Amino acid sequence: QQQVKQSPQSLIVQKGGISIINCAYENTAFDYFPWYQQFPGKGPALLIAIRPDVSEKKEGRFTISFNKSAKQFSLHIMDSQPGDSATYFCAATPTNSGYSTLTFGKGTMLLVSP
Amino acid sequence: SQTIHQWPATLVQPVGSPLSLECTVEGTSNPNLYWYRQAAGRGLQLLFYSVGIGQISSEVPQNLSASRPQDRQFILSSKKLLLSDSGFYLCAWRLLTEQYFGPGTRLTVT
Repeated sequence: QQQVKQSPQSLIVQKGGISIINCAYENTAFDYFPWYQQFPGKGPALLIAIRPDVSEKKEGRFTISFNKSAKQFSLHIMDSQPGDSATYFCAATPTNSGYSTLTFGKGTMLLVSP
Repeated sequence: SQTIHQWPATLVQPVGSPLSLECTVEGTSNPNLYWYRQAAGRGLQLLFYSVGIGQISSEVPQNLSASRPQDRQFILSSKKLLLSDSGFYLCAWRLLTEQYFGPGTRLTVT
C-alpha cells in the first residue's frame, strides 16, 4: 500500500513533442505529490508538486495532472527539449505527520532526441 | 536561503575500510534529514532519516549507520565497507512538505 508505481521505465520523445510520465498510488493518506528531475551525477531537483485539492498545476512547460478518484497523477512536458533529457521521479507522502517520508517511484529515463 | 552540502564528492575505498560521509544544511533549523542510496541506473533507496538530534530511524538493515550530532549535521558511517556498498549517496533535508537533495557522494568500493 506504500508503493508508488511509475511508468514507463524509459521514454524517447522527439524534440518539440510531449513527454508523459504516469504514477499511481494506493495509500489514500498521501496528500502531497512532488516530481523530481535528476541529471547524471547530480542530486534530484524538485521540479513541481501538487496537492489533491487541485486537478492540475502548471509551471512553464511542466504540468502535473491529478486524478484523485483514480489515485493517479502524471507529469506532462510540453515542447520537450534535449535539455529535458534526465531521469524523472514521482513521489508521494502524507503531510499530517512530521515523521513521514517520501515514497518514490522507480524513475523514468527520458531521452529527447534532437 | 537554504543550502545543503555533502562531502566528499567522490570516494574510492577498499573493501573492509571504514566510511564517513558528511552532510550539512545551512539556512534552516530542525529539519528532517535523510540518507538515500542510488545504485547505477536505479531508484532511490531510503537508508536513514532523522527528525532531531540523536534521533535516527533505519529503513534498511545493513552494515551502515547514521548519526546526527548537531541539528544540521548528518553523518553516514560504516566500520567495514562491502563491495555492495558502492553507489551514489544522497543526503536530503525537509521542512514541512518540500524535500531537497544534496549534490551526492559517489562511492566506489574496490
